[in-house]
Amino acid sequence: ETGVTQTPRHLVMGMTNKKSLKCEQHLGHNAMYWYKQSAKKPLELMFVYNFKEQTENNSVPSRFSPECPNSSHLFLHLHTLQPEDSALYLCASSHEGPGTDTQYFGPGTRLTVL
Amino acid sequence: GESVGLHLPTLSVQEGDNSIINCAYSNSASDYFIWYKQESGKGPQFIIDIRSNMDKRQGQRVTVLLNKTVKHLSLQIAATQPGDSAVYFCAERIQGGKLIFGQGTELSVKP
Repeated sequence: ETGVTQTPRHLVMGMTNKKSLKCEQHLGHNAMYWYKQSAKKPLELMFVYNFKEQTENNSVPSRFSPECPNSSHLFLHLHTLQPEDSALYLCASSHEGPGTDTQYFGPGTRLTVL
Repeated sequence: GESVGLHLPTLSVQEGDNSIINCAYSNSASDYFIWYKQESGKGPQFIIDIRSNMDKRQGQRVTVLLNKTVKHLSLQIAATQPGDSAVYFCAERIQGGKLIFGQGTELSVKP
């Protein structure tokens, strides 16, 4: 256990559905991240939050909408996704802002878009 | 753009042997490097890191070597065990603090 939990672990949704992914970190960290991991490709950074403020959006389509109500929780709201959005979505946290120290990852949500 | 790549997509070793996983990075200004292990169905797990002012760092059964001259990073696992079977990937921190991740090498340990 890394201290970062994600729910659900698996999600199957249709292209017209709306769903949300949840991440919670119990490490007292101030920065949280969403990554997308597709087969045979490196991790792709999607969003970064530092002290609840979004500091990076890596040209992510608007059908992905992040929310960070506090430093311990991070959500990724999904709507009208495409089949190519099927991937493992990973949440991570670090003590300080991006790049300053090690990021700790959750187990991920395996998303399948039909 | 920046990229971090691994020389081999798969590596198969005999239990008890030493494993060496390699990583090439492209940004000479990168100042921090991390190795992660990702087991099936799990998120990446931090293994070891090294800063650019060092060329070697040792952990428990793992050693990371950094060669800045050729922009090469390696992870050495001593006495590889079946539990070491996983995908290993490196990451570099480029200017501005962003982490760039490599594609990964799948390590398979034969009993």
